[in-house]
Amino acid sequence: GAGVSQSPSNKVTEKGKDVELRCDPISGHTALYWYRQSLGQGLEFLIYFQGNSAPDKSGLPSDRFSAERTGGSVSTLTIQRTQQEDSAVYLCASSLSAGDLEQYFGPGTRLTVT
Amino acid sequence: SQKIEQNSEALNIQEGKTATLTCNYTNYSPAYLQWYRQDPGRGPVFLLLIRENEKEKRKERLKVTFDTTLKQSLFHITASQPADSATYLCALDISGGYNKLIFGAGTRLAVHP
Repeated sequence: GAGVSQSPSNKVTEKGKDVELRCDPISGHTALYWYRQSLGQGLEFLIYFQGNSAPDKSGLPSDRFSAERTGGSVSTLTIQRTQQEDSAVYLCASSLSAGDLEQYFGPGTRLTVT
Repeated sequence: SQKIEQNSEALNIQEGKTATLTCNYTNYSPAYLQWYRQDPGRGPVFLLLIRENEKEKRKERLKVTFDTTLKQSLFHITASQPADSATYLCALDISGGYNKLIFGAGTRLAVHP
């Protein structure tokens, strides 16, 4: 069956531009998570969705970062006025519910800010 | 704050041997700990979960131990194969309910024929 998909797979943008990263979770999965992975670092939690609501946004690094989820399915992570330190791989994961402990990850979007 | 440490250096072993990876954590008492595998350019893939009341968990050639006193988990791959070469990540739930995970930086394993 279809897994978690993310688009684009690679994104190069100029400093100061806005970017949108998309995540399509596995159909029927209500919990969705965004993580960021910088080179040589562990995955850093950004935000968690249960359905369309985001009860935990505590990992968003600054107010330039925002995310939404519509219809309990697709999620978009938006970074405004990108900075070079935003360069990383952004990973999305979904699970059947928050209580389902196995997370299924997408392939990630590699963001490079020049 | 919570901290997870994994061997930062790559682990090189010969095919057929047992690989042992270490995960240490501080400042937290997780209800469970998870191990994931990550290949280059791919997202992590879930391997095993072990709960705080479990000492050991096995799945095929994989074995995980969890010592809540030492705050340490060991991940073993027996009869290792070159296809086991990847980065292995350990992760803890810090939400206490909705699986908000913090990850270690991972240990890269290389199994040589």
